Amino acid sequence: SQQGEEDPQALSIQEGENATMNCSYKTSINNLQWYRQNSGRGLVHLILIRSNEREKHSGRLRVTLDTSKKSSSLLITASRAADTASYFCATEGGSEKLVFGKGTKLTVNP
Amino acid sequence: DGGITQSPKYLFRKEGQNVTLSCEQNLNHDAMYWYRQDPGQGLRLIYYSQIVNDFQKGDIAEGYSVSREKKESFPLTVTSAQKNPTAFYLCAVKSGTVYQYFGPGTRLTVL
Repeated sequence: SQQGEEDPQALSIQEGENATMNCSYKTSINNLQWYRQNSGRGLVHLILIRSNEREKHSGRLRVTLDTSKKSSSLLITASRAADTASYFCATEGGSEKLVFGKGTKLTVNP
Repeated sequence: DGGITQSPKYLFRKEGQNVTLSCEQNLNHDAMYWYRQDPGQGLRLIYYSQIVNDFQKGDIAEGYSVSREKKESFPLTVTSAQKNPTAFYLCAVKSGTVYQYFGPGTRLTVL
């Protein structure tokens, strides 16, 4: 079962602009994680936000979590061509398993 | 991709043939996972193992089998019962923290 749903499915921006991706989920969670996947490669963990946190920063990444709306957003500031990738949210609800969404494909044009 | 290796990178299977995908880790982590990814889709969990000699089915285990005889290794066999096996297969491990480290993946194509 896929719990997370990312929005938009695809996003194309210019270098230097900010990129915002959203994730909605259905059931209660312990934490929500964001991963990046370059084409044809494995996933790389970006950031984790716990259910009792509302916002978290890591470098150019900012993640928010609204458990009342069951939604999260990932903001990438001052985007670079190297940020071109697919971004996935994944939720963990205490079962030692992650449930992934279908991802947002981000293209950053130089 | 850290200390996780998957082999082969590309694999071709004929109809009715069983194939085994390798996943090896040197991170000394207990939990290992197998996911399937179809084009434009997210990851779906096939099997996972939290300890040697024990594993559990994920959401799409039918047509797949696994073993966990060593901590370092978690091979996945795609059997002939899996009718649509063409996909990208990803192995992951998890330490005491909650996020997962992924291998580089194996792309399986049915001829």
